[in-house]
Amino acid sequence: AQTVTQSQPEMSVQEAETVTLSCTYDTSESDYYLFWYKQPPSRQMILVIRQEAYKQQNATENRFSVNFQKAAKSFSLKISDSQLGDAAMYFCAYRSGNAGGTSYGKLTFGQGTILTVHP
Amino acid sequence: DGGITQSPKYLFRKEGQNVTLSCEQNLNHDAMYWYRQDPGQGLRLIYYSQIVNDFQKGDIAEGYSVSREKKESFPLTVTSAQKNPTAFYLCASSWTVTNYGYTFGSGTRLTVV
Repeated sequence: AQTVTQSQPEMSVQEAETVTLSCTYDTSESDYYLFWYKQPPSRQMILVIRQEAYKQQNATENRFSVNFQKAAKSFSLKISDSQLGDAAMYFCAYRSGNAGGTSYGKLTFGQGTILTVHP
Repeated sequence: DGGITQSPKYLFRKEGQNVTLSCEQNLNHDAMYWYRQDPGQGLRLIYYSQIVNDFQKGDIAEGYSVSREKKESFPLTVTSAQKNPTAFYLCASSWTVTNYGYTFGSGTRLTVV
């Protein structure tokens, strides 16, 4: 079974600074997808960024980018120019790409990292 | 607008009662999922369904039941057998074959009183 670990329960950053959230995962599969979700105080889950394992290029969405290290099974999220609205719980998630496997389609989540942004 | 609707937003249950949480989507997604969120434990999968009239247990299915009679609907019943039901419950949907993640509902907060 796949596991996802977020080792930082809480992180903080000053407004306009850069912060990196860590995520590691364990899998024996070669085809999979990785995601970062944001959960603000409203508790609505919002997809921030996704990465296909077969792509070497790191995904980027505006101020959000990832550092995907496939061999190390690491998938960190970098938030640049942090804004007050970035304050939220962030979840890393794994989805199997193996259509014949029992885990196909299911998202496995990490424990989450609470990000605080200081003005 | 397409999306997922969960109701009610807040739900209170007495000890020994069954309660049903509603989840409806109009995205024409094949698959639907129920997750439970507790502090410090992330999201844990309760049940999922990839096609109408079929569903599978997730990691913490004990004390819960589901049905999938329509593509749009995937209600979750929290039974009296669930010993610690107080939690935040999230419903999600997706295409079965997709490179993308899920679309989530806004959640239901269940409290045992």
